Amino acid sequence: GENVEQHPSTLSVQEGDSAVIKCTYSDSASNYFPWYKQELGKRPQLIIDIRSNVGEKKDQRIAVTLNKTAKHFSLHITETQPEDSAVYFCAACYSGGGADGLTFGKGTHLIIQP
Amino acid sequence: GAGVSQTPSNKVTEKGKYVELRCDPISGHTALYWYRQSLGQGPEFLIYFQGTGAADDSGLPNDRFFAVRPEGSVSTLKIQRTERGDSAVYLCASSLAGLTLISGELFFGEGSRLTVL
Repeated sequence: GENVEQHPSTLSVQEGDSAVIKCTYSDSASNYFPWYKQELGKRPQLIIDIRSNVGEKKDQRIAVTLNKTAKHFSLHITETQPEDSAVYFCAACYSGGGADGLTFGKGTHLIIQP
Repeated sequence: GAGVSQTPSNKVTEKGKYVELRCDPISGHTALYWYRQSLGQGPEFLIYFQGTGAADDSGLPNDRFFAVRPEGSVSTLKIQRTERGDSAVYLCASSLAGLTLISGELFFGEGSRLTVL
């Protein structure tokens, strides 16, 4: 099955600086890579996703890059703000053929220092 | 409803008891998923329904866990002979038609926190 590794487990950055979180996956058939933000005691919420037919996707201050050859993908947050503080999870799956279960990384606790 | 609704929000039970957790997905969503999240971990996939049928139950840890979705909307996760290791937040999510669609997205509920004493 799929295995997703996520680094770092904790990331502390100054407000206004950039944050980068990296993930690797094991199953070369995986074709869907979402990122979720989870605040304490709340539900995970999708912030951005990428499919294997593109290498990069951007949405305002958030961007995701995918390298299928190396089997890794990264989340980039620019101009960080206090409300970006949360736990971020990457995930991967092969979507299609009846299987749709995401495999999640262990999460990165992002702390934005004022 | 406006979002995915899960009940109960909290459940405390004793080891060996039977529990049911309910999920009401977003209206019109054919795909429904159950995940389990332990403290400090990412969600762990349990089962995926497409309509009334379980399309993928490969994540269910053992035969004490079972889930149904008889009419293709509300789903119930059933845990028999609960063990302390079953303590976790059980998250339900729904999607319009699964992740295959370009616009496919999972919408999670707030979860049911299960504590087995």
